Amino acid sequence: GEDVEQSLFLSVREGDSSVINCTYTDSSSTYLYWYKQEPGAGLQLLTYIFSNMDMKQDQRLTVLLNKKDKHLSLRIADTQTGDSAIYFCAEANAGNNRKLIWGLGTSLAVNP
Amino acid sequence: DTGVSQNPRHKITKRGQNVTFRCDPISEHNRLYWYRQTLGQGPEFLTYFQNEAQLEKSRLLSDRFSAERPKGSFSTLEIQRTEQGDSAMYLCASSRSGQGSYFGPGTRLTVL
Repeated sequence: GEDVEQSLFLSVREGDSSVINCTYTDSSSTYLYWYKQEPGAGLQLLTYIFSNMDMKQDQRLTVLLNKKDKHLSLRIADTQTGDSAIYFCAEANAGNNRKLIWGLGTSLAVNP
Repeated sequence: DTGVSQNPRHKITKRGQNVTFRCDPISEHNRLYWYRQTLGQGPEFLTYFQNEAQLEKSRLLSDRFSAERPKGSFSTLEIQRTEQGDSAMYLCASSRSGQGSYFGPGTRLTVL
């Protein structure tokens, strides 16, 4: 069945770049998303990419998609302490009512 | 528009009681989703509405769970005869075609 996997933890120093990786199994995934969840807070949509794109950039965020390897990454440039949160990768299939299949989330710790 | 809102934010109930949660989506979003999230996990899909029609319901949803979206705007999720295993964060999201889902802050349910 459909599955999304992420590494559980990532620790970086403030000012460095962070790269969070995600792999998925559904080859018919049409939309791939990154969400941010801070402690005790809801899920914030950061960015999303369509499967016919290789890259999307939005300010400090860069999303790379390797559709052949079913690999998605989120790069955060100049990581700040306020970026500390759990980052979820999610995928949706256009033919499946766009419900999201989620990874377990990557906990990003930014050290001063 | 202030985004997706959910009420109540917190609900504590005794086992066996019924509870009802409300979600107000972003106006003009025709798609509405309910998810459930437990600690350390990504959200799990529960059900999906397109306008007022409930088009998909997860196998996770037992007969004790029911959801409605009577006029294609707000939605309610009712849990009858609550059990301790129902304790979780219940998340509502809305979207429109071609966009990502926007989440509300969630309702945290604790069943004693």
